[in-house]
Amino acid sequence: GQQVMQIPQYQHVQEGEDFTTYCNSSTTLSNIQWYKQRPGGHPVFLIQLVKSGEVKKQKRLTFQFGEAKKNSSLHITATQTTDVGTYFCAGRWDSNYQLIWGAGTKLIIKP
Amino acid sequence: ETGVTQTPRHLVMGMTNKKSLKCEQHLGHNAMYWYKQSAKKPLELMFVYNFKEQTENNSVPSRFSPECPNSSHLFLHLHTLQPEDSALYLCASSQDLRSTDTQYFGPGTRLTVL
Repeated sequence: GQQVMQIPQYQHVQEGEDFTTYCNSSTTLSNIQWYKQRPGGHPVFLIQLVKSGEVKKQKRLTFQFGEAKKNSSLHITATQTTDVGTYFCAGRWDSNYQLIWGAGTKLIIKP
Repeated sequence: ETGVTQTPRHLVMGMTNKKSLKCEQHLGHNAMYWYKQSAKKPLELMFVYNFKEQTENNSVPSRFSPECPNSSHLFLHLHTLQPEDSALYLCASSQDLRSTDTQYFGPGTRLTVL
């Protein structure tokens, strides 16, 4: 079946450093969504990317969708303690409503 | 955020017990979902309902039985569970089943099966 591979599984950063997580699909996605789950919380929608090569920004967060619509990334500039949590990508194919989720990248801020 | 609520938040049950999880959405959405979230694994879609009709059952064992009496309420009935069923069970809703719809999640029920 279709899968979304997300790496890395964990990323430890010092506060103020940057963070990036990547998602890849072997086949072309119709769109991809990003969610954030705080520790002890539930996934919360961040953004949806639909167009080839699309780049969207939310303050310190930059989301990219690859030209071939097979990969996506989330980059956080100058991490803060409020960024702690697990970031998930979730993709769709062929205009299907079902989201296929990546395993998530856990952002950990080193004390 | 109180758009999607779930009760109970925590549940401990033995393998012979019967219990139910409840989900309610206050967003006027037409579609509702049950997901299972286990550590270090992607979210697993279990069931999907659209306008109270089940549209998806992703090969879920029969010890999990969903019920959707109306578009705002979703239940997951549990019986004779196994310890490997211990996980966070998340309910979600979306406006419809369109390919661009966003899903809104409840806080989840942390289930432990002894």
